[in-house]
Amino acid sequence: AQSVTQLGSHVSVSEGALVLLRCNYSSSVPPYLFWYVQYPNQGLQLLLKYTSAATLVKGINGFEAEFKKSETSFHLTKPSAHMSDAAEYFCAVSETGGFKTIFGAGTRLFVKA
Amino acid sequence: EPEVTQTPSHQVTQMGQEVILRCVPISNHLYFYWYRQILGQKVEFLVSFYNNEISEKSEIFDDQFSVERPDGSNFTLKIRSTKLEDSAMYFCASNSLAGVADTQYFGPGTRLTVL
Repeated sequence: AQSVTQLGSHVSVSEGALVLLRCNYSSSVPPYLFWYVQYPNQGLQLLLKYTSAATLVKGINGFEAEFKKSETSFHLTKPSAHMSDAAEYFCAVSETGGFKTIFGAGTRLFVKA
Repeated sequence: EPEVTQTPSHQVTQMGQEVILRCVPISNHLYFYWYRQILGQKVEFLVSFYNNEISEKSEIFDDQFSVERPDGSNFTLKIRSTKLEDSAMYFCASNSLAGVADTQYFGPGTRLTVL
């Protein structure tokens, strides 16, 4: 069975600081991995995805994530936080070729001025 | 830019009543999904649908739930007899290629409140 663990339900950073949101996954088969962002009262928007190509994945809004198989991790980073990055972020995993996506519990990112 | 739309944005119902949540996927998409998010909890997969058939469903998707594509544009989720624990945000999603490798586009959600 697949699962996702996001470390930290809340993360607070200052504007301009590094953003690091942690995600570890469990999967018995090669996974697809995703990061989604959810702004208040909106749906989920895909930030980036890993589908077994390059291990360093670049996404929208300056975010990137690195797939590390040895650590079963897929942490999300952004060099410099912006106030508009404040949102809920979800890491998710799916089986290769599958239809079901398993989401983590989410991490709420706060950005301080 | 095309987007997935959902109606209503908020539905309030009495326990035991039937509800139908509606979604209009992006027009050229072929694969459709429902997810739910109970307040404060993670997003959970309910069901995927392709070619008028369920392709995968979770253990949450029991006999009280059904999905339908009644015409060429709508995709619906029906809950036959709602329970208090069905209160959640329900998200519809769609994509054009098989499986989740192709980007899923999510709608803004319908908040279902069961009293």
